[in-house]
Amino acid sequence: NAGVMQNPRHLVRRRGQEARLRCSPMKGHSHVYWYRQLPEEGLKFMVYLQKENIIDESGMPKERFSAEFPKEGPSILRIQQVVRGDSAAYFCASSKKGEQFFGPGTRLTVL
Amino acid sequence: GDSVTQMEGPVTLSEEAFLTINCTYTATGYPSLFWYVQYPGEGLQLLLKATKADDKGSNKGFEATYRKETTSFHLEKGSVQVSDSAVYFCALLTQGGSEKLVFGKGTKLTVNP
Repeated sequence: NAGVMQNPRHLVRRRGQEARLRCSPMKGHSHVYWYRQLPEEGLKFMVYLQKENIIDESGMPKERFSAEFPKEGPSILRIQQVVRGDSAAYFCASSKKGEQFFGPGTRLTVL
Repeated sequence: GDSVTQMEGPVTLSEEAFLTINCTYTATGYPSLFWYVQYPGEGLQLLLKATKADDKGSNKGFEATYRKETTSFHLEKGSVQVSDSAVYFCALLTQGGSEKLVFGKGTKLTVNP
């Protein structure tokens, strides 16, 4: 049973470009969470999605960030017009209900 | 809102030393509590958990007890190994509505041979 998959593992973007991060949950999991880890910091919650619905986006910046979890395919975290401050590790977690299982993360570097 | 405070690092120990990493929390009600471990360049792995007061979570020689009276969940290991070198995160699972994890800042542990 494959774990949570994230790709790409590393992503480099120039300021002003768009970043798309993908997360495939574990088989049978319909809940997806995105967290951001800034350098030397703990993880901060960004958004919680179930299939086709955003349940809680209280941790998402109001501008430039969006997330989706379509009926088919992976969950996508999209960052438009990236800035240097967006450089971080972005982790996805999935669950049926309760325990969250984490992916390996995408490390975004903005030049 | 809910928050987690854990011991600042880094912590450096010799092999076979005793480890304690302190963690306290602030929350409404009695959330489930977790310790996660992050090895270099990897994602988070669940190390242990406790879901109610006085529960003791344990795994790989690590232990932590859910103390309601002191709102604490300190991580302990009697004899650390070089392979335990990693960053350790204490976390709670919020209750009601969306169940999201609230993390402490992490404690980096280095174990020297």
